[in-house]
Amino acid sequence: AQTVTQSQPEMSVQEAETVTLSCTYDTSESDYYLFWYKQPPSRQMILVIRQEAYKQQNATENRFSVNFQKAAKSFSLKISDSQLGDAAMYFCAYRLDAGNMLTFGGGTRLMVKP
Amino acid sequence: NAGVTQTPKFQVLKTGQSMTLQCAQDMNHNSMYWYRQDPGMGLRLIYYSASEGTTDKGEVPNGYNVSRLNKREFSLRLESAAPSQTSVYFCASSAHRGTVSGANVLTFGAGSRLTVL
Repeated sequence: AQTVTQSQPEMSVQEAETVTLSCTYDTSESDYYLFWYKQPPSRQMILVIRQEAYKQQNATENRFSVNFQKAAKSFSLKISDSQLGDAAMYFCAYRLDAGNMLTFGGGTRLMVKP
Repeated sequence: NAGVTQTPKFQVLKTGQSMTLQCAQDMNHNSMYWYRQDPGMGLRLIYYSASEGTTDKGEVPNGYNVSRLNKREFSLRLESAAPSQTSVYFCASSAHRGTVSGANVLTFGAGSRLTVL
């Protein structure tokens, strides 16, 4: 079974600074997708960024980028120029290309200090 | 706004009572899911429906039943609620695999907080 691990229960960053959230996963598959979801206090889950495993190029969405290391099974999220609105729980998730199950990590709570 | 709508947002039950969480999506998605979220454990899949007329167990199906009423609606039922089912429940949907863009991306509802006393 696939597992997703987020080793940082909480992280803190100063406004306008950069922070990196870690995620590792375990799989024997070669084709899969990886995601970062944001959950603000409103509880809604919001897709931040996704990465296809077959793509070597790291995904980027505005201030959000990932460092995808397939051999190391690592998928970290970098948030640049952090804003107060970035404060939330962040979940890393894995999904097989052919599957329907999205497996989540335990989450990292990000606090942004003004 | 298009998206996933869950009801109710909050519910308090006594042990042994039954209830149904409703979920509807208006994005013409084929697949729908029910997750539960407990502190420190991320989201765990309860049941999913890959297409209308089909349902499958996820990681934690015990104590739950589901119904895919039609393409839009996917309900989750607790027949005899237990305190261990106190959680936040999320419904989600996704386009069928192979379609442009939306494949593999889940759209979530706002969540339903259930407390079982």
